[in-house]
Amino acid sequence: QQQVKQSPQSLIVQKGGISIINCAYENTAFDYFPWYQQFPGKGPALLIAIRPDVSEKKEGRFTISFNKSAKQFSLHIMDSQPGDSATYFCAAADQTGANNLFFGTGTRLTVIP
Amino acid sequence: DAGVTQSPTHLIKTRGQQVTLRCSPKSGHDTVSWYQQALGQGPQFIFQYYEEEERQRGNFPDRFSGHQFPNYSSELNVNALLLGDSALYLCASSRMIHYGYTFGSGTRLTVV
Repeated sequence: QQQVKQSPQSLIVQKGGISIINCAYENTAFDYFPWYQQFPGKGPALLIAIRPDVSEKKEGRFTISFNKSAKQFSLHIMDSQPGDSATYFCAAADQTGANNLFFGTGTRLTVIP
Repeated sequence: DAGVTQSPTHLIKTRGQQVTLRCSPKSGHDTVSWYQQALGQGPQFIFQYYEEEERQRGNFPDRFSGHQFPNYSSELNVNALLLGDSALYLCASSRMIHYGYTFGSGTRLTVV
C-alpha cells in the first residue's frame, strides 16, 4: 500500500521553464513533508521540507505548496536548469510515531537546454 | 565533516548466501535507518536503530536484521538472499526527534 502517491512519473521541461511535481497522502498523522533530489549513483539529498502549519515554503528556486485539507503537496522548480535533471521524491513522516519516511515513487525530471 | 559512509559500494552475491552491509553515520548523529530502493522505485523503510536497539521496523521479513554499535555505526544483514533482494540499500542518519536525515550513497546489491 503506497502511503504517498506521486505524479508524474517523468517530466520534460525546457530550460527556464517551471517544473511541477505533485504528491498526495492519506495518513492525517503525517506532519513532515520533505522533498529529496537523487542523482544516478547517489543517495537522496534533502532539497526542501515543510510542516502542515504553513501553506508554502520557498528556498531559492524551489517552492513547496501544501494543501492540508486536500492532503496534497507539490514541488515547484522555477527557472529550471539542466543541472536540475534528476529524480525527485516526495516523502512524509509522522512525528508522534517513528520518524521513518514514506517515499513516493519518484519523478524523473529532464531539463532540455 | 564526513557525511554518511557506506561500504561496500557494490556487491554481487549468489542466491541463498548471506550479506552484511555497513554504515557510519554523520558526525553528531546517533540514529541510523536503513532503506531498500528497488530500481525505479522510492526507498522503502527497513528498520531504525537508536541506542543500539531496533526501534521501528518496516514490512520486511526476519531475514533482514541489523545491529548498532556503541559508536553509532550500524550493520544490515540479509540471510538467504533472494533475487528480489537486488536493490540499492541506503543508510540514513539523524539526531533522534529531528528529521534532518542524511543519506549515504548506498550499497548496490546484486543477487544472481
